[in-house]
Amino acid sequence: DTGVSQDPRHKITKRGQNVTFRCDPISEHNRLYWYRQTLGQGPEFLTYFQNEAQLEKSRLLSDRFSAERPKGSFSTLEIQRTEQGDSAMYLCASSFYSGHLLGGYTFGSGTRLTVV
Amino acid sequence: GIQVEQSPPDLILQEGANSTLRCNFSDSVNNLQWFHQNPWGQLINLFYIPSGTKQNGRLSATTVATERYSLLYISSSQTTDSGVYFCAVEPGSNYQLIWGAGTKLIIKP
Repeated sequence: DTGVSQDPRHKITKRGQNVTFRCDPISEHNRLYWYRQTLGQGPEFLTYFQNEAQLEKSRLLSDRFSAERPKGSFSTLEIQRTEQGDSAMYLCASSFYSGHLLGGYTFGSGTRLTVV
Repeated sequence: GIQVEQSPPDLILQEGANSTLRCNFSDSVNNLQWFHQNPWGQLINLFYIPSGTKQNGRLSATTVATERYSLLYISSSQTTDSGVYFCAVEPGSNYQLIWGAGTKLIIKP
């Protein structure tokens, strides 16, 4: 069990560019979550998958954000036409769900995005 | 929606001291988790504790679901315990974690 891996760890991009982040969850986990965190705040929910199905997306998530989880394994989060307000830490977590949550969430180290 | 309140917001202690962090929630929950976010931003799951008491080394947690609160105990604090401690709950059948604002803990050597 290598934990949840996120890549890249840091990303600096110019406003208007597209960026894509990757998350590899714990292999036994069937749920995968994306959160965003800004300095001094708790994590903010973006979206989650159960296996390959994207079951919910936050209303805070604009159309510029899209996430996929092909084959129910790794996931990608893409932000199109980045804005300075997108600068944040993007966190991925996974868990195992079988009728109810079994055990807690495991978070990755995050991808810190800076839009200049 | 459900409200999650953590106290105290900030705590500064000397190494070796004990501390108790509290999490109150306004409605029934399916589960409750405690996390430690270290100064490098990594979120570590400390406890998954919808009810009862659990212990892991110097840390222990108790959740009294009927009274809607949870406590995290840290004994014999070390400087590596510094960081922000978050409580997060999953209300009802919702998938989404609702987070408290965190307790920022500083342990001085």
